[in-house]
Amino acid sequence: QQQVKQSPQSLIVQKGGIPIINCAYENTAFDYFPWYQQFPGKGPALLIAIRPDVSEKKEGRFTISFNKSAKQFSLHIMDSQPGDSATYFCAARRAGRRALTFGSGTRLQVQP
Amino acid sequence: NAGVTQTPKFRVLKTGQSMTLLCAQDMNHEYMYWYRQDPGMGLRLIHYSVGEGTTAKGEVPDGYNVSRLKKQNFLLGLESAAPSQTSVYFCASSSRGAGETQYFGPGTRLLVL
Repeated sequence: QQQVKQSPQSLIVQKGGIPIINCAYENTAFDYFPWYQQFPGKGPALLIAIRPDVSEKKEGRFTISFNKSAKQFSLHIMDSQPGDSATYFCAARRAGRRALTFGSGTRLQVQP
Repeated sequence: NAGVTQTPKFRVLKTGQSMTLLCAQDMNHEYMYWYRQDPGMGLRLIHYSVGEGTTAKGEVPDGYNVSRLKKQNFLLGLESAAPSQTSVYFCASSSRGAGETQYFGPGTRLLVL
């Protein structure tokens, strides 16, 4: 049972483009939604996170949009660069707990 | 600070063999986790620990055991390895305080033949 569904599986954009990665969840008990970035051969690292009391959070070129009623959230990367090429995972955490439930990942390639 | 370290980086096992993966963190974090990463399936939680001497099952605990005898170390054991356990294993840690970030190690690639 996949509690957090992530799409697309892979994405190719040109430098300067705005890739968008989407995630959907079912469990309304989730209260924390982070995005992790993973480079080949490395462990995931936190990129940005949001709580459901806000609809958008921006950190540098990375923006999370959150739609509580639709139970969806997405990651936007502005002015994407080849260095952004990585695998991106969305995740969710239930209130009062620490363990994360991850999406299946999106492999992003930004072409020069 | 080294952060989260994992030993070994790569290992090949034969079916039925046993091994232990070691995770160490130097951030004084209370919480530690073991995940496995498989293509197209993201990261799935195997076991986790909320403190020294305590462990709990995650999403996919079967075939694995864990121990947290020291706060800084979290061990993952495979008593009788199976080909289905071929995966990349990641350890992570987080603090009890307001910080919610999980810090991941570099991973251990395990191949079971």
